[in-house]
Amino acid sequence: GQNIDQPTEMTATEGAIVQINCTYQTSGFNGLFWYQQHAGEAPTFLSYNVLDGLEEKGRFSSFLSRSKGYSYLLLKELQMKDSASYLCAVNTGFQKLVFGTGTRLLVSP
Amino acid sequence: DADVTQTPRNRITKTGKRIMLECSQTKGHDRMYWYRQDPGLGLRLIYYSFDVKDINKGEISDGYSVSRQAQAKFSLSLESAIPNQTALYFCATTDGRTDTQYFGPGTRLTVL
Repeated sequence: GQNIDQPTEMTATEGAIVQINCTYQTSGFNGLFWYQQHAGEAPTFLSYNVLDGLEEKGRFSSFLSRSKGYSYLLLKELQMKDSASYLCAVNTGFQKLVFGTGTRLLVSP
Repeated sequence: DADVTQTPRNRITKTGKRIMLECSQTKGHDRMYWYRQDPGLGLRLIYYSFDVKDINKGEISDGYSVSRQAQAKFSLSLESAIPNQTALYFCATTDGRTDTQYFGPGTRLTVL
């Protein structure tokens, strides 16, 4: 079976740092994506980790540990516009993605 | 980024009606996908296509059919719509060089 777990909701303050965790158990693994989705809009690509370790892109970083079935998305210097849902998705092979249910992040002033 | 468009953007229909949702992309990606999104359930794969002659069922294909009319076009049909097909539907394409999926703007479908 396929199982991807992430917290349902998180809150943080503007300017702070937040870490969104994702654990997975899937029948195949070719990489892990993070997407951002504002309410009613399309998911937009943030990061793709294939190998273990940390990848940094500006204010956003993503980490992967394949042996632990674990990833996190780190958001620094939070801004109000970062209020959105963050989707963890595993590429199980042939770019077939299995998504978690998403983490809704609320950033307050 | 892939330019993925979907029509219509919103649709309200009645139980039993046939509905077609259309998706077009202009980046020449071979692989295209249809997902539905429901609150609390995340995105789930309905069908996917690796090229014009290749169609595959996803996790939740019952009640749906697809047509890949050309490399750039991938349509999703509901032959006889039912209320539990009310959802937000997304089309996506994949850049084969990077494995990244790019999503269209979505179609909000309501079945009464």
